[in-house]
Amino acid sequence: SAVISQKPSRDICQRGTSLTIQCQVDSQVTMMFWYRQQPGQSLTLIATANQGSEATYESGFVIDKFPISRPNLTFSTLTVSNMSPEDSSIYLCSVGERGTQYFGPGTRLTVL
Amino acid sequence: AQTVTQSQPEMSVQEAETVTLSCTYDTSEGDYYLFWYKQPPSRQMILVIRQEAYKQQNATENRFSVNFQKAAKSFSLKISDSQLGDAAMYFCAYRSADNYGQNFVFGPGTRLSVLP
Repeated sequence: SAVISQKPSRDICQRGTSLTIQCQVDSQVTMMFWYRQQPGQSLTLIATANQGSEATYESGFVIDKFPISRPNLTFSTLTVSNMSPEDSSIYLCSVGERGTQYFGPGTRLTVL
Repeated sequence: AQTVTQSQPEMSVQEAETVTLSCTYDTSEGDYYLFWYKQPPSRQMILVIRQEAYKQQNATENRFSVNFQKAAKSFSLKISDSQLGDAAMYFCAYRSADNYGQNFVFGPGTRLSVLP
């Protein structure tokens, strides 16, 4: 399976600021996904990011708050904009490969 | 819409013993895939096992095996010879067969503790 890395692994941010999370894959993949995992909760899909097209956002998530870039088949970024303490979560990227999703190590975000 | 339920928020098992984690799902589709993922404290989501609904044979992966009951819409995970490293959150997930790699539905998770 693909090897996926994320940067940063964790960060502590002030409210009102923005953070960009990077996701790097060691092979070319068509489908990439961004998830949010709030403390003690399951995973919630934020958006699907396919190269060459605009990201598709799930209900409750908007592009102005979570802009996503997918410049090539091995890289994507998720920005969490104008952060509030409610954005404190783990953010995970994943890739779709042979009908299965494989996940990066996650970014733990704390907003003060 | 499909839903995935894990009725056990927490479970514990003695080291070297066997434990079974429950998962039920609701779907009207005939073809789909089911997964178990493990998330240890390091937070990395790791694929444990995958089952195709059209296969009657239960998937196995070393100490991990599933009991897939399609009519009952049940997909339990059995961990044999439990080890301390098995302690983690376990998530059951569902995917429609026609959404290749997309639109996973995750259950709420079961936290497994392994007692020495």
